[in-house]
Amino acid sequence: DAGVIQSPRHEVTEMGQEVTLRCKPISGHDYLFWYRQTMMRGLELLIYFNNNVPIDDSGMPEDRFSAKMPNASFSTLKIQPSEPRDSAVYFCASSLGATGGDTQYFGPGTRLTVL
Amino acid sequence: SQKIEQNSEALNIQEGKTATLTCNYTNYSPAYLQWYRQDPGRGPVFLLLIRENEKEKRKERLKVTFDTTLKQSLFHITASQPADSATYLCALEGRRALTFGSGTRLQVQP
Repeated sequence: DAGVIQSPRHEVTEMGQEVTLRCKPISGHDYLFWYRQTMMRGLELLIYFNNNVPIDDSGMPEDRFSAKMPNASFSTLKIQPSEPRDSAVYFCASSLGATGGDTQYFGPGTRLTVL
Repeated sequence: SQKIEQNSEALNIQEGKTATLTCNYTNYSPAYLQWYRQDPGRGPVFLLLIRENEKEKRKERLKVTFDTTLKQSLFHITASQPADSATYLCALEGRRALTFGSGTRLQVQP
């Protein structure tokens, strides 16, 4: 398996623009997680899905953020409109489960810069 | 509130020495604790998992201890090498799946 795939790897946009980040999880993994990482706040869980259904979106910072998982092999995280404070590295991860005993496999991340 | 604390200051050691990183937590009762490695520009990579009933776990040059009384895990790298330089994060199951510490950056000097 190629592992978790994310695109794009880098995104530079201007404030107010819509940004869409994409993720393909490892085949067979039932859980998909979206994280945001910054120097100040570390790795924060934004939302996670089980079998394509959002389970916990309490980490989504504002209504400007939305995530979907239309099928088992694809998820998107959308920011509309984007703001400079959204600049961060966004990671997607997948796993077989969501307990502390389940290993998460991370993608390479998308580095987002909002000017 | 739940909190995971890792030393935010970088740990600098000489090649060949043992590196010891600390993960302290409060208001968690984890059945498992995980350690991940993160290199610059990459996502975290799983290293080791230890269960609450395991005091110690080893994998090659890595050793993890888990003290549920002290609410602490120690992560050791023996015979450290410059290639071990990275950020190491611990992770616990909290109210929302896995919660990660902020990580400790390890720099091994040749």
